[in-house]
Amino acid sequence: RKEVEQDPGPFNVPEGATVAFNCTYSNSASQSFFWYRQDCRKEPKLLMSVYSSGNEDGRFTAQLNRASQYISLLIRDSKLSDSATYLCVVNKAGGYNKLIFGAGTRLAVHP
Amino acid sequence: GAGVSQSPSNKVTEKGKDVELRCDPISGHTALYWYRQSLGQGLEFLIYFQGNSAPDKSGLPSDRFSAERTGGSVSTLTIQRTQQEDSAVYLCASSGGRGREDTDTQYFGPGTRLTVL
Repeated sequence: RKEVEQDPGPFNVPEGATVAFNCTYSNSASQSFFWYRQDCRKEPKLLMSVYSSGNEDGRFTAQLNRASQYISLLIRDSKLSDSATYLCVVNKAGGYNKLIFGAGTRLAVHP
Repeated sequence: GAGVSQSPSNKVTEKGKDVELRCDPISGHTALYWYRQSLGQGLEFLIYFQGNSAPDKSGLPSDRFSAERTGGSVSTLTIQRTQQEDSAVYLCASSGGRGREDTDTQYFGPGTRLTVL
């Protein structure tokens, strides 16, 4: 089993749609959770951190369910510029800030 | 301020040759990471440096891969006797500052795209 698993996608949605991505992680001792965004042929950039029960930033909402070891990202009112790959990232507990990246979910927003 | 920089941006080499990839982290960041991303795949952890501590090399795929970090700043990833399966984008990230979020957040460089013919 992979340490971080995500919906592979791609998700093809029209502008204005609401889309949700899911992610599960295997290490129950993990403490830090993130969503990174990666545009085509670019480096990953931090989108949101998820530290407790959830986090909201404008159109983006991230939620964490520790009991189920599940993280989600909700994007409301999708924009064309939201088209990218969204990476679920989990801190590998025990020692230092070693991050484990999911393979990513690709989102394509069309007019 | 300046972000993480990497050089070269692209490298094409022949099978069997050695290559060196360079990473300049954000000034003052204590932690430095190397990752590899193959086409359409997620990021694969390679190696981690933190201050003067011994690096975590657990992600290096073979003994052909090595990395150094001189003076706690610049890092070089070396791949000896390159193979075609080494073709990938090699990404460097740094982290470490004041406050929890600053410590956790990894800032990535633009990567070096390595092609082994």
